[in-house]
Amino acid sequence: DAKTTQPPSMDCAEGRAANLPCNHSTISGNEYVYWYRQIHSQGPQYIIHGLKNNETNEMASLIITEDRKSSTLILPHATLRDTAVYYCIVRVGDAGNMLTFGGGTRLMVKP
Amino acid sequence: GAVVSQHPSWVICKSGTSVKIECRSLDFQATTMFWYRQFPKQSLMLMATSNEGSKATYEQGVEKDKFLINHASLTLSTLTVTSAHPEDSSFYICSARGQVGNSPLHFGNGTRLTVT
Repeated sequence: DAKTTQPPSMDCAEGRAANLPCNHSTISGNEYVYWYRQIHSQGPQYIIHGLKNNETNEMASLIITEDRKSSTLILPHATLRDTAVYYCIVRVGDAGNMLTFGGGTRLMVKP
Repeated sequence: GAVVSQHPSWVICKSGTSVKIECRSLDFQATTMFWYRQFPKQSLMLMATSNEGSKATYEQGVEKDKFLINHASLTLSTLTVTSAHPEDSSFYICSARGQVGNSPLHFGNGTRLTVT
C-alpha cells in the first residue's frame, strides 16, 4: 500500500469547514483513497473513499487532485463531535486486503 | 448497513486467565475479518487476518498460540487472549468488510482489556 503523509494535528473553529490534507505521492493507479476517523476510545469510523473523482456523502467531501498524489477531506460545518483522529489510507480495492493505519491527523474543533 | 458488533466492550481479568472477544458482522457476510490492537496514544496495529473456515494469518511478532483466532462462520470471529499478562492490556478492535471489491472496512467499537 502507498504511504501517506498527514499533519499530526489541526484546529478548526466550530461551524467552519475543516480541510484535512493527505499526501500520497506514490499512489498506484488501482489504489483507492479511504478516510476514517477515530473518536476517543471507539473503533474507527468509515467516512468516505474514492479512486479519482471527487466524492461527497452525508458526512464529508473528498477532493482528489488530478495527478492523484494528494487529497483533501472536507467537513463542511465542523462540530465539537467531529473532534477525532482522522486517518487517510491508500489501498488496493480488494475485499481481502487489510488497512494499514499511519499516525493520522488529530483534529480539534474548538467553540 | 455494514454493522460490526464487538463484545465485550471492556473486560478486566486476572493475570494468567484467558479472555474471549467476539466480533460479529450483523448485516453482511464476511469471509475475512481483521484484528487490530491499539496501545495508548498510538495508531492501530494489525495483529492477524481471520479467514472463515481456515487458519488465521498472524503479523510478525504476534504469537499465534497466545492470541487464538477462530472464524467459524461468515458472521463471527473470536479472539482469545490466553494466559493474559498485564502487558496484554490494550484496546482490541475487529473489522470486517463485505465481499464487493472496494467496499470499505467497518470496525467494531473495540474491547478495552485490562489485566491485573
